Amino acid sequence: EVLLVQSGAEVKKSGESLKISCRGSGYSFSSFWIGWVRQMPGKGLEWMGIIYPGDSETKYSTSFQGQVTISADKSISTAYLQWSSLKASDTAIYYCARHGYCGDSGCYDIDYWGQGTLVTVSS
Amino acid sequence: QSVLTQPPSVSAAPGQKVTISCSGSSSNIVSNYLSWYQQLPGTAPKLLLYEVNKRPSGTPDRVSGSKSGTSATLAITGLQTGDEADYYCGTWDTSLSAWVFGGGTRLTVL
Repeated sequence: EVLLVQSGAEVKKSGESLKISCRGSGYSFSSFWIGWVRQMPGKGLEWMGIIYPGDSETKYSTSFQGQVTISADKSISTAYLQWSSLKASDTAIYYCARHGYCGDSGCYDIDYWGQGTLVTVSS
Repeated sequence: QSVLTQPPSVSAAPGQKVTISCSGSSSNIVSNYLSWYQQLPGTAPKLLLYEVNKRPSGTPDRVSGSKSGTSATLAITGLQTGDEADYYCGTWDTSLSAWVFGGGTRLTVL
């Protein structure tokens, strides 16, 4: 069974750094692109970017490029989303999500999701 | 403003049929890799349909999808109260080189 298990809720202050995680199991973690999706309170889904754990190649949405860092450690089947200086507007639920496939022409459907990590940033 | 346009809300009575549209452009919905996601209240999204109209294990056959040109449609027949959720379409946009979602549609079963 494919599972994506995320780290727990975080409460931070503006300006602090944060790294949240997503551990994959039940499949070859190195072989599938895994990404992050933001959902702000009461709002829709926003795709942030993806990483291929096999070689750590990353692709970012232009909206999030430079705002966050996506990384992975294939030795422990874990992907990460990191902020160096949080803002109150980063308050949201963050989901990790696996794409079935990504190639030169783009990515296929997101087939599995993590349970979400709530990040609350106070000013 | 989402790249893919969905109606904010739809509603229908139990047992009836509802459709949810997803409108895009030539840089996204023309792909056959269009999917729909169901997000029940307080839970993570879940894949409902992939590659326009393919059902993963667990999606009932009263759920179907279609695509024509730059628009896609999700249809649910025999509505149940358990279908009340937010529904999102998603696909790859070749101009943005990014995955894009619709703004989401809240389904209410009256």
